[in-house]
Amino acid sequence: DAGVTQSPTHLIKTRGQHVTLRCSPISGHKSVSWYQQVLGQGPQFIFQYYEKEERGRGNFPDRFSARQFPNYSSELNVNALLLGDSALYLCASSLEGQGKNIQYFGAGTRLSVL
Amino acid sequence: TQLLKQSPQFLSIQEGENLTVYCNSSSVFSSLQWYRQEPGEGPVLLVTVVTGGEVKKLKRLTFQFGDARKDSSLHITAAQPGDTGLYLCAGGSWNKLVFGAGTILRVKS
Repeated sequence: DAGVTQSPTHLIKTRGQHVTLRCSPISGHKSVSWYQQVLGQGPQFIFQYYEKEERGRGNFPDRFSARQFPNYSSELNVNALLLGDSALYLCASSLEGQGKNIQYFGAGTRLSVL
Repeated sequence: TQLLKQSPQFLSIQEGENLTVYCNSSSVFSSLQWYRQEPGEGPVLLVTVVTGGEVKKLKRLTFQFGDARKDSSLHITAAQPGDTGLYLCAGGSWNKLVFGAGTILRVKS
């Protein structure tokens, strides 16, 4: 079975541009979470979606938005990119929305903002 | 805000040595998880500890959850080059994991 897949793997943008990152969860998983990992740091929580509804939001500006589609795939959108948005963006999926569920991470999208 | 502090930040050891990395917080966590992340990959879950004082073993890795559920440790016996990676602890509610900054482990042969 395929794991969590993210696209693209690498992306280079310039300041002020917009970016869309995509995530396909493991088949059967209904919950998707997004994390930002800056070099040298642990992942920071951005959003969590369960059954197409936002169930959690981290401390990120409104330039960051996300959505989940009927097939449970998800997109993370970032507007007006800043140099500080350069990071590895990780998507994680889990079987259910609550409880002690295991989160399975994708390999991430490496975003560089120039 | 729940914070997790990991120490040391970086560890470079010879193959065969033992090591311990720590994860500490001033907050109580219902559970803590340990992940290992290799370059170019996402974190992979190693273990979840739930009960205060719990000890779990995974081959040469031993994980312990503090009695007060505020801290945890990971001990590796006879480290091997394949253990090289970033070790992350994480905790929090079901819909929002809080991660520590991680410990970078390098095992030299």
